Amino acid sequence: GAVVSQHPSWVICKSGTSVKIECRSLDFQATTMFWYRQFPKQSLMLMATSNEGSKATYEQGVEKDKFLINHASLTLSTLTVTSAHPEDSSFYICSARAYGLAGVRLATDTQYFGPGTRLTVL
Amino acid sequence: KNQVEQSPQSLIILEGKNCTLQCNYTVSPFSNLRWYKQDTGRGPVSLTIMTFSENTKSNGRYTATLDADTKQSSLHITASQLSDSASYICVVGHTGGYQKVTFGTGTKLQVIP
Repeated sequence: GAVVSQHPSWVICKSGTSVKIECRSLDFQATTMFWYRQFPKQSLMLMATSNEGSKATYEQGVEKDKFLINHASLTLSTLTVTSAHPEDSSFYICSARAYGLAGVRLATDTQYFGPGTRLTVL
Repeated sequence: KNQVEQSPQSLIILEGKNCTLQCNYTVSPFSNLRWYKQDTGRGPVSLTIMTFSENTKSNGRYTATLDADTKQSSLHITASQLSDSASYICVVGHTGGYQKVTFGTGTKLQVIP
């Protein structure tokens, strides 16, 4: 249980285009999802916290107009990188906090991570 | 300032050997501490999670310890396998807000035959 998927797993795009990344909780409801960015040999950096049905909360230094987050349902959050540039090339990872899963005991306060999306902007 | 420091930064060990990774934190107020394994190009996978009252937690060949007094944790890997090659990340949660966590920079472990 507690599986989080991301799509696509990798994407290459031209500078100036927009890219949408999906994050889904497959077998549980996630009222809160998190979006991270990870540059090579560095730790995960939290970009924003996404709550279902409300506006995302962005970390300091993260442009909300550039990184659009939509958490339309309890199982889906999307991150859209608008007008992508080469410096946006990174590994984007989402995580979801488990709300509940019938029949399966989940650890409290645990974030379940997706497999990540490798974005390369040419 | 909330910080999580891990050591060593990288480690190479022979297959079958044991190893211990360290995590020191200054996060306050403390809620929980988790160890994740991250394979290259993949998202982190949870290994263990410990709250203030727990001082050890095992998951197969992985055993995590926590000393809340000294604010130190360790992850011990027994009888290492080639598949253990990955980055191991220590993540400390803050009290009162599951949304507040501080990530360590990770230890890159390489197990060689």
